[in-house]
Amino acid sequence: KQEVTQIPAALSVPEGENLVLNCSFTDSAIYNLQWFRQDPGKGLTSLLLIQSSQREQTSGRLNASLDKSSGRSTLYIAASQPGDSATYLCAVFHTGNQFYFGTGTSLTVIP
Amino acid sequence: GAGVSQSPSNKVTEKGKDVELRCDPISGHTALYWYRQSLGQGLEFLIYFQGNSAPDKSGLPSDRFSAERTGGSVSTLTIQRTQQEDSAVYLCASSSRQGYGYTFGSGTRLTVV
Repeated sequence: KQEVTQIPAALSVPEGENLVLNCSFTDSAIYNLQWFRQDPGKGLTSLLLIQSSQREQTSGRLNASLDKSSGRSTLYIAASQPGDSATYLCAVFHTGNQFYFGTGTSLTVIP
Repeated sequence: GAGVSQSPSNKVTEKGKDVELRCDPISGHTALYWYRQSLGQGLEFLIYFQGNSAPDKSGLPSDRFSAERTGGSVSTLTIQRTQQEDSAVYLCASSSRQGYGYTFGSGTRLTVV
């Protein structure tokens, strides 16, 4: 069974700082990896999708990388803002019919 | 529609009652998932629909849970004889193709009292 781990579980940074969130998975035979953010009491908002053949994706201040061989992905957030405060989840689509979620990193950006 | 729509957004029900949760996926999306998220917990897979294929029900926690998808579009998750441990946020997601990025709805927050 695929296991997905996210480190750190919680992170607090001052506004303007660059930061990195980590996601690791145990089985490298994945189809894709997707990063989401979840605001309190809300659903999941897709941030970036990386196909297994890709190494990174960028959207605005966000950059996600994927290293399948080592079972890792990172989400880089540049120049963090208070509006970035949320829980960030990575999800791995493996063989079978479901995607496996990490437990998330709770990010707080302090003004 | 433009996104995945779930209704109701909130539901409070008495223990023992049945509830129905609805998911309206993005038009044309053939893959549809139900997940639930209990307080402070990760996302738990419940059921997966792909086109006209038989659904993958391997994540349903008990026989009190069932789901259907009519006409390959709208899906309904039914919980019979609700228990307090069923309290959670139920999330629906759809995709144009299995494994090709997923769009989530805003979820239904179910509270069993």
